[in-house]
Amino acid sequence: DQQVKQNSPSLSVQEGRISILNCDYTNSMFDYFLWYKKYPAEGPTFLISISSIKDKNEDGRFTVFLNKSAKHLSLHIVPSQPGDSAVYFCAASPLRGNEKLTFGTGTRLTIIP
Amino acid sequence: GAVVSQHPSWVICKSGTSVKIECRSLDFQATTMFWYRQFPKQSLMLMATSNEGSKATYEQGVEKDKFLINHASLTLSTLTVTSAHPEDSSFYICSARVGQNNQPQHFGDGTRLSIL
Repeated sequence: DQQVKQNSPSLSVQEGRISILNCDYTNSMFDYFLWYKKYPAEGPTFLISISSIKDKNEDGRFTVFLNKSAKHLSLHIVPSQPGDSAVYFCAASPLRGNEKLTFGTGTRLTIIP
Repeated sequence: GAVVSQHPSWVICKSGTSVKIECRSLDFQATTMFWYRQFPKQSLMLMATSNEGSKATYEQGVEKDKFLINHASLTLSTLTVTSAHPEDSSFYICSARVGQNNQPQHFGDGTRLSIL
């Protein structure tokens, strides 16, 4: 039962353009969402998060959008840079008490110079 | 800030050996740490939640006698894979959370465990 899904296993984007990574979830108890970036043989690096009281959070080149009614979130990276090439995981957690993160399956982003 | 250190980064050992992996929060105290496992090209799966001074909480399907977790201090949690077998070969990652709710988990760099 995959409660957090990233339906695109891979994505290629030209350098300088916008990268949009998508994530869908099924559990309506999820209230806190995060994006992590991961290189091979390394642990995930936290990028940006959003709680359900917001629909948008921005940090530099990274913006996360949350559509609770659609149970959908997306990560926008603009402009995309070669160093952004990595696997991106979205993760979700209930806000109160339970801190467990449920991860999506990941999207491999490749930025083409 | 929020640095999580994991050691060792890579272990190769014979079947039947027990292997201990350490997870340390270097610049903050973590009452709760988490242990994940990742198989190739798959997502991170939570194995257990490690609570300082108390027993770990294991996810369904994870053998607590196989994967021993000790969280003896606010900066150190250990995962011991007992009597490891080839099917235990995987990438193990720990994380710790800074502060209270609405704070992200920060991850160590993981441990690649290969059982021959």
